[in-house]
Parts: sequence; C-alpha cells; structure tokens
Amino acid sequence: QKEVEQDPGPLSVPEGAIVSLNCTYSNSAFQYFMWYRQYSRKGPELLMYTYSSGNKEDGRFTAQVDKSSKYISLFIRDSQPSDSATYLCAIGVTGGGNKLTFGTGTQLKVEL
Amino acid sequence: GAVVSQHPSWVICKSGTSVKIECRSLDFQATTMFWYRQFPKQSLMLMATSNEGSKATYEQGVEKDKFLINHASLTLSTLTVTSAHPEDSSFYICSATPWTGTGELFFGEGSRLTVL
Repeated sequence: QKEVEQDPGPLSVPEGAIVSLNCTYSNSAFQYFMWYRQYSRKGPELLMYTYSSGNKEDGRFTAQVDKSSKYISLFIRDSQPSDSATYLCAIGVTGGGNKLTFGTGTQLKVEL
Repeated sequence: GAVVSQHPSWVICKSGTSVKIECRSLDFQATTMFWYRQFPKQSLMLMATSNEGSKATYEQGVEKDKFLINHASLTLSTLTVTSAHPEDSSFYICSATPWTGTGELFFGEGSRLTVL
C-alpha cells in the first residue's frame, strides 16, 4: 500500500464548476499537509498548507483535512480554464527534515 | 514566497556525457535542498537531500556515483548526471525552503534532460 493515494484522473469539468480533489494516507504520523499545483513542464507551486484537521480557505481554494479518516481534500470554487493543471497532495512529519511524500497527482482540465 | 531558480530548463546531450543542473535559492539561504525526479504523468520521486557543507543523503535505489550532488554554498546546489544514458532522460526538479521542519517547500522550474 502506498503511503499516499491519489486518483490520477484525468478529471474534466466545465468552467465555473466546483472541483474536489482528494488524497488518502496511511501513516498517522503525518502532521502537515500541502497541495501543490503543477503546470505542464513546470515545477510545482505551493497552493495550500495546513497542519490541523478542519478547513483552510484561501480565495477560491479550500483545503480540508480529516486526520481521523486520514483523508485530505482540495476544493476549487468557480473553476477557471487557468486552473487546468496537475494537483499534487504532499504530506510530511515534524522532524522529518522537510521531506515530503507526494501523491501521484490528479490531472484537472477545466473546459470553456 | 521564496524563489528557487533552476538552470538549464532543458538540455539535450549525447549518451556517455555528463550534465550539470544548478539550483539556486534567490532570496533566502538554504542549508538543505532536495532533488526530485519526475517521469511523465508520475509523481515526484525524491532522489537525494543536499546538505550545505556535507555529503548528500541519497534515497534507496539512487546511485550516488551517477548522480553527483554538491551543495557548496547556502544558495547553490548542483546535480551532475554522470555518463548519462537514455534511461536517465527525465524531468529533474529541485526544492528548498527558508524554514526547517515545516515542510513548506518551494520548487524550481525543473530541468528536462533528454539523453540521445
């Protein structure tokens, strides 16, 4: 079993839709959770960072963490074609020396 | 956010040659940098942790003699792919952070290596 599971997609939605991206993890020692956005042939860009269960909102993006279920989500409201990218979840442990475990990434396409 | 720069963004080389990729933290100092490899439609695989002033720490299965890492200053780490072969063709990405222990990594733009 992989430490972090993420549906690779591709996921195709119409412009304006609400997008839900998810990851599950197996190690209860994971303590902080991130979402990165990666455009084709570019390095990942940090979108959201959180270390507690609950919701964290930033503009059109909401990160949700449920530590009891080992489940994290990223919601994108009013999706735009510019949101088309691969979204990677990343998880780490305090004291892990900044080493992160990444999901495989979900490819999202927002269509006009 | 912190800025990490990588160079070159893409490189094509002949089999058997060596290629050097640079990773720089532009507006912060980084005692630790990370090198990842990414194959098409796959996630990032950590290759090694680059430590300023000391030897790099390689992940299991990564040949340290093939992927030479040097972290000579607090703002520069280099990855040299030695005696490159077509199977080394990949997207190499570095990352760094101004903070320790938080996991907030900032990534370079990546370097696409094609070995003919």
